[in-house]
Amino acid sequence: KAGVTQTPRYLIKTRGQQVTLSCSPISGHRSVSWYQQTPGQGLQFLFEYFSETQRNKGNFPGRFSGRQFSNSRSEMNVSTLELGDSALYLCASSFSAPSGSNYGYTFGSGTRLTVV
Amino acid sequence: EDQVTQSPEALRLQEGESSSLNCSYTVSGLRGLFWYRQDPGKGPEFLFTLYSAGEEKEKERLKATLTKKESFLHITAPKPEDSATYLCAVRAVTTSGTYKYIFGTGTRLKVLA
Repeated sequence: KAGVTQTPRYLIKTRGQQVTLSCSPISGHRSVSWYQQTPGQGLQFLFEYFSETQRNKGNFPGRFSGRQFSNSRSEMNVSTLELGDSALYLCASSFSAPSGSNYGYTFGSGTRLTVV
Repeated sequence: EDQVTQSPEALRLQEGESSSLNCSYTVSGLRGLFWYRQDPGKGPEFLFTLYSAGEEKEKERLKATLTKKESFLHITAPKPEDSATYLCAVRAVTTSGTYKYIFGTGTRLKVLA
C-alpha cells in the first residue's frame, strides 16, 4: 500500500520567488493537511482540506495557500518567499473527515524547502 | 493562550527500563489528543488518539492515558528500536467552529542496549 507521497523532496528557492509543493494522499483518504516544521517552532498546522474544501486553517499569513483536487491530491503554494519560510513542509492524509472519531493522520516524508 | 508542553525534552533509558513521557495542555474545546513518533528524516507516525479523560490505549510496549490536564505515554521495557522523538498534539475547536491543531516540541527518547 503506497504511503503519502510528497514532491519534490528538496527544493532551493530565492527570496521573493513562489513555490508549489505537491502531496498525493493514500488511496481512499479524503482529508489532507499541511504542516510546517522548523527546529525553533516545531510542527505548526497550516491548513486542512476535506472533499476539496478548506475546513481548518492555522495562523499563517495569506502568502500560504493550498487547494485540493477531486482525486484528493493537494498542493500548497507559498508566494513571495522569505528566508524564514525555510522549513520541512509535511503533508498528512486521513480517511475520516476532520470531525471524525478515533482517526489519525499518515504523514509523508516532507519537502525540505530552503530559501536563500 | 492555548499551549502544549512536553517533558522531559530528552530522555535516555537503558533497554528494559520503563518510563513515562508527559504532555500537559491548556486548551479550551479539546477534540482529541494525538501521540506520534518521529524518526530522523521522516514524517511523524501516528500512534494514538485519545478523546476523554480516563481513556487509555495500548500498542505493543506503549500505553497512552489522558486526564483533563495532561496525557502520559508509558513505555514498558523499551528496546533500542523505540528510540525516536515522541510528539503530542491537541485538536481544539475554535470560537468559529473550526479546528486548530497545536503540537508540543517533543521528547527525544534514546534507548541504550
